[in-house]
Amino acid sequence: GQQVMQIPQYQHVQEGEDFTTYCNSSTTLSNIQWYKQRPGGHPVFLIQLVKSGEVKKQKRLTFQFGEAKKNSSLHITATQTTDVGTYFCAGRDSNYQLIWGAGTKLIIKP
Amino acid sequence: NAGVTQNPKFQVLKTGQSMTLQCAQDMNHNSMYWYRQDPGMGLRLIYYSASEGTTDKGEVPNGYNVSRLNKREFSLRLESAAPSQTSVYFCASSEAPGQGYLNEKLFFGSGTQLSVL
Repeated sequence: GQQVMQIPQYQHVQEGEDFTTYCNSSTTLSNIQWYKQRPGGHPVFLIQLVKSGEVKKQKRLTFQFGEAKKNSSLHITATQTTDVGTYFCAGRDSNYQLIWGAGTKLIIKP
Repeated sequence: NAGVTQNPKFQVLKTGQSMTLQCAQDMNHNSMYWYRQDPGMGLRLIYYSASEGTTDKGEVPNGYNVSRLNKREFSLRLESAAPSQTSVYFCASSEAPGQGYLNEKLFFGSGTQLSVL
């Protein structure tokens, strides 16, 4: 079946460094959503991107949807301890099914 | 508003036992979902319900049954639990009419951590 590949699986950063996670689909997506899951918590919706080449910002978070609507990225500038968690992308395929990436875990080095 | 409420939060079962996971939402949402989350595998859809009285299989339905009791409640039943069903289970809801609707966002419950020994 269709897959959305998300990399990296883990990213260790010093507080204040930047963080980026990438999602790639083999087929064109109708839209893509991003969720954040804090340790021990549940996924919480962050944003949805629909248009080709779309870029949206939420404070230190920047979300991009590729021109071909096959890839997306989330970039966090100057990470803080409150950013710790796992970030998931979820892309809607041609059958309108929501396909989830495996997530990228953001870990802040002590 | 409580949002999406799941019970129980933790459960330990022996192989072969049965149990029902309860889920209720108070947002008047049309669609409800059951996912399981295993380490390194993201979220996998078990079953979903686009409206009261309808249910459809997701990616991993084997070993599970569901009931959309009314608009608020969507339960997941394990008839004969197996160790492979050890996982964290999340219920979710969305306003959209169904799984195939654009521009929907999911609201998740706090999850049930299930261990099958």
